[in-house]
Amino acid sequence: QKEVEQNSGPLSVPEGAIASLNCTYSDRVSQSFFWYRQYSGKSPELIMSIYSNGDKEDGRFTAQLNKASQYVSLLIRDSQPSDSATYLCAVFNNAGNMLTFGGGTRLMVKP
Amino acid sequence: EAGVTQFPSHSVIEKGQTVTLRCDPISGHDNLYWYRRVMGKEIKFLLHFVKESKQDESGMPNNRFLAERTGGTYSTLKVQPAELEDSGVYFCASSYQLNEKLFFGSGTQLSVL
Repeated sequence: QKEVEQNSGPLSVPEGAIASLNCTYSDRVSQSFFWYRQYSGKSPELIMSIYSNGDKEDGRFTAQLNKASQYVSLLIRDSQPSDSATYLCAVFNNAGNMLTFGGGTRLMVKP
Repeated sequence: EAGVTQFPSHSVIEKGQTVTLRCDPISGHDNLYWYRRVMGKEIKFLLHFVKESKQDESGMPNNRFLAERTGGTYSTLKVQPAELEDSGVYFCASSYQLNEKLFFGSGTQLSVL
């Protein structure tokens, strides 16, 4: 079992729709969770961080965390073609020094 | 404010040669990390520095890889001798504190032929 799992996609949504990206992790003691966006050939760019159960909203983005289910998700409202990228879920280990990444989900937003 | 910078952006070398990658973290960030993504795989942790000290190098593949951070500023990652399976994108990242968001550089695309 991978430590951080994501559906590789591609996930295709029409412009203006809600994109829902999911991630599960195996380490129950993990405390810090991140979503990064990566455009082709570019560096990962942090979108959201979440540390507590529940929802965290920032503009069009909402991160959701459920530690009991070991599940973290990212919702993108009013999806735009510029949101088309690979979205990486990342989880810190207990020591807070090693970030483990999922394989990423490729999102395609069609005009 | 300058972000994390990496040099070179691309490197093409032959098997058996040596390559040195450089990373300049964000000024003031004590924590510096190296990660690698090989084709079709996840981004994987290689090692972590706090200032000039290696805190965790559990992700280093083998002793052909040597990372240094003399003076606690920039870091280098040397691969000697390079093998075909070393090809991939090497990312550097930095953070101010542990358990805090990482800022990534644009990566070095290494191709070993």
